Amino acid sequence: DTEVTQTPKHLVMGMTNKKSLKCEQHMGHRAMYWYKQKAKKPPELMFVYSYEKLSINESVPSRFSPECPNSSLLNLHLHALQPEDSALYLCASSQGLAGAETQYFGPGTRLLVL
Amino acid sequence: GDSVTQMEGPVTLSEEAFLTINCTYTATGYPSLFWYVQYPGEGLQLLLKATKADDKGSNKGFEATYRKETTSFHLEKGSVQVSDSAVYFCALSMEYGNKLVFGAGTILRVKS
Repeated sequence: DTEVTQTPKHLVMGMTNKKSLKCEQHMGHRAMYWYKQKAKKPPELMFVYSYEKLSINESVPSRFSPECPNSSLLNLHLHALQPEDSALYLCASSQGLAGAETQYFGPGTRLLVL
Repeated sequence: GDSVTQMEGPVTLSEEAFLTINCTYTATGYPSLFWYVQYPGEGLQLLLKATKADDKGSNKGFEATYRKETTSFHLEKGSVQVSDSAVYFCALSMEYGNKLVFGAGTILRVKS
């Protein structure tokens, strides 16, 4: 099973709302990632977790707050977002952080900020 | 820094035509190379990968060979189908950290 699941599929939120995105994998992977993808652009890395610890933060604004409660789950907490944060948010996982490891992507959450 | 350059699209082909999507990279070390495909409304799926020079990755009729001398990883398929219509991303990852560096993506449209 090489499936990464993400919920919700779609999310509409106002700029004052607080919401969370959820990602889950049951492949025993120890590295998990959040990406942001704008229309017609490649994904941009936001965060990397390795063994449930934050390994990389690509200078993401604090209105995005990641959390890795256990090795299978990854959350992205959203607060006070701006309309320009509207995008497809992709989660991915891999066995580890070796460069040759394949990252497996979820279907994404399409976020619209009003 | 490390980077990936892909041919610009969209690429429009008739069914059963030959496909080539060019990809070249710049990297200071020895990257692993990937092709990912994104169908409309979906996430990315790994299409194929190669982890060292002269390796050939292949999957679903697609092929790409890691050419260190030309720093290239061109994607090819002998006969495309309408169902191959998607966005194709070339990407690299260095030895440790597994940070994917993506090319801009190439839209492929296949007409019946």
